[in-house]
Amino acid sequence: DIQLTQSPSSLSASIGDRVTITCRANQTVVIYINWYLFKPGQAPKLLIYTSKYLQSGVPSRFSGSGYGTDFTLTISSLQPEDFGTYFCQHGFSVHPLTFGRGTKVEIK
Amino acid sequence: QEQLVQSGAEVKKPGASVKVSCQASGYTFTKFYVHWVRQAPGQGPEWMGVFNPNENTTNLSQRFQGRLTMSGDMATTTVTMELSGLRSDDTGLYYCARDKRITATAPANELDLWGQGTLVTVSS
Repeated sequence: DIQLTQSPSSLSASIGDRVTITCRANQTVVIYINWYLFKPGQAPKLLIYTSKYLQSGVPSRFSGSGYGTDFTLTISSLQPEDFGTYFCQHGFSVHPLTFGRGTKVEIK
Repeated sequence: QEQLVQSGAEVKKPGASVKVSCQASGYTFTKFYVHWVRQAPGQGPEWMGVFNPNENTTNLSQRFQGRLTMSGDMATTTVTMELSGLRSDDTGLYYCARDKRITATAPANELDLWGQGTLVTVSS
């Protein structure tokens, strides 16, 4: 199975900060990386799909990039509602889907 | 309003089976794949498999082969996941999630609508 390594595992940032989370695959997933936000007690939310496409309804402060094995999720200006745990997931269909271990974002 | 509503929390003994249901509303049930994902405490999510409600077919993770089944009921627009031979490490939150792509093509593996999660606790 493809392994996804996220960094950092946690971070604390202030409102308005730029936040960057990385996801590295141990083999190419081409462009097939998606990003989700999990919050306790809520349904998880798809933020970015196929590396860089913003899911409908997601604020434009979220963006994604990357190709091959290295991918990035960026929040351009952190807002209070952005706390939670972010996971990357590969969708490269020839392999079972896997998720990263997550990046917990806390608001300072 | 599109939504997936899951059944309530379950407590099971080791060796038992559990069924978790996921009722879809607000969209055409047979049009989109439904995945199941679980998350053990303190771990990342784990993909279990995907169900095609249009053809009643599944693609399951090999990790669960032999003890996982998925089924669908068009009349109630419900997908059900059943996991047997429960162990303590099956404890966790179980989610259903819709795939972005229609069932006429292969899944996109982009999960755009999720259920609220069902807590399954396995304990003697």
